[in-house]
Amino acid sequence: SQKIEQNSEALNIQEGKTATLTCNYTNYSPAYLQWYRQDPGRGPVFLLLIRENEKEKRKERLKVTFDTTLKQSLFHITASQPADSATYLCALGPYNQGGKLIFGQGTELSVKP
Amino acid sequence: DGGITQSPKYLFRKEGQNVTLSCEQNLNHDAMYWYRQDPGQGLRLIYYSQIVNDFQKGDIAEGYSVSREKKESFPLTVTSAQKNPTAFYLCASRPAGGDTFYEQYFGPGTRLTVT
Repeated sequence: SQKIEQNSEALNIQEGKTATLTCNYTNYSPAYLQWYRQDPGRGPVFLLLIRENEKEKRKERLKVTFDTTLKQSLFHITASQPADSATYLCALGPYNQGGKLIFGQGTELSVKP
Repeated sequence: DGGITQSPKYLFRKEGQNVTLSCEQNLNHDAMYWYRQDPGQGLRLIYYSQIVNDFQKGDIAEGYSVSREKKESFPLTVTSAQKNPTAFYLCASRPAGGDTFYEQYFGPGTRLTVT
């Protein structure tokens, strides 16, 4: 069956460290993968998109990798800050699906000062 | 100021009543989506529309209905047939449907409570 899994446990890290979040998937062949940030009680906000033929994407303190052989994406936040505390969602974009996204359950990140 | 608006933010209904959630966008986006989010879970797709007067069922369409009479508007009706309607509902839009590499833009959500 098709499945997307993110770190099931909440991630607690110290300010200034690098946070690494994992997104694994099975039985999908995504055209691209996206990462979103969601604060409590609010809608998700887009962060980064990486295509299937790209290995890595960066934006300021954010870095995403995409390994279609391992069927895994890693999301890194360097020099983390308490303001980075939120839930992070990965989403797959399958081919020929009208732009639909398949979301993981999210990983809650808490950055302590 | 472009964006997506959902109203109301909180909605309370009695069991057995239909309720309609509003979603409006002024981003001139072609595609619109409705998701449901339950505690500790990701977003699940209810319905989506790639163009006016056309829409498709998502993964959990039972007990819901939609219309897309205008490009800017994509209202969702939660009917009495929906077994567990209490949830956080999110509307999103995207510049185009199909295999184009665009992100989705989300509204602030409506939290529906049915008792």
